[in-house]
Amino acid sequence: DQQVKQNSPSLSVQEGRISILNCDYTNSMFDYFLWYKKYPAEGPTFLISISSIKDKNEDGRFTVFLNKSAKHLSLHIVPSQPGDSAVYFCAARSDSNSGYALNFGKGTSLLVTP
Amino acid sequence: SAVISQKPSRDICQRGTSLTIQCQVDSQVTMMFWYRQQPGQSLTLIATANQGSEATYESGFVIDKFPISRPNLTFSTLTVSNMSPEDSSIYLCSVPGTPSIHEQFFGPGTRLTVL
Repeated sequence: DQQVKQNSPSLSVQEGRISILNCDYTNSMFDYFLWYKKYPAEGPTFLISISSIKDKNEDGRFTVFLNKSAKHLSLHIVPSQPGDSAVYFCAARSDSNSGYALNFGKGTSLLVTP
Repeated sequence: SAVISQKPSRDICQRGTSLTIQCQVDSQVTMMFWYRQQPGQSLTLIATANQGSEATYESGFVIDKFPISRPNLTFSTLTVSNMSPEDSSIYLCSVPGTPSIHEQFFGPGTRLTVL
């Protein structure tokens, strides 16, 4: 069963505006969350992460928000740039996972238009 | 960050055959991971490959279908055996990140199509 869900397969945003990508999870044991960015024909690239003890983590234009009670996290990109156009994957892990397995969502394809 | 290469980058294979995918890392790592991404699906962990011991497989994946080798700390192979069209996927290897081991670095992937 899918423990990490990204319900929006695609999102289109104008350059300079905010992009908000959403992710929901079902496993309350998840204690670490990550966002990856993937360009075509490349592997996923780590973008930003957040521990379950925090509710916000910021890195430049990228901010991740975590709402544990709602089992929801979001990635905000401000301002959005055309180079941000990619597929974004949400991932989560817990110590109860075997080894260091990451549970991924199916991804959201972001298109930033000029 | 680690630099990871995979070979081949893509292949088209006939059903019933096997394909071995190679993963090379530019630094020594204890663990390497193999993932699969089927069309329209999320990345799913197949197994964790530790140097000097048997690979650990996730539920739904077995060694006979996906044998893994880990001859040294910079290299691993994944074989997809007796392939069927359902094995058409992107296969990716990854390694733990530094300083945070949770932030895995991924190779570029191998796109496999089985006819």
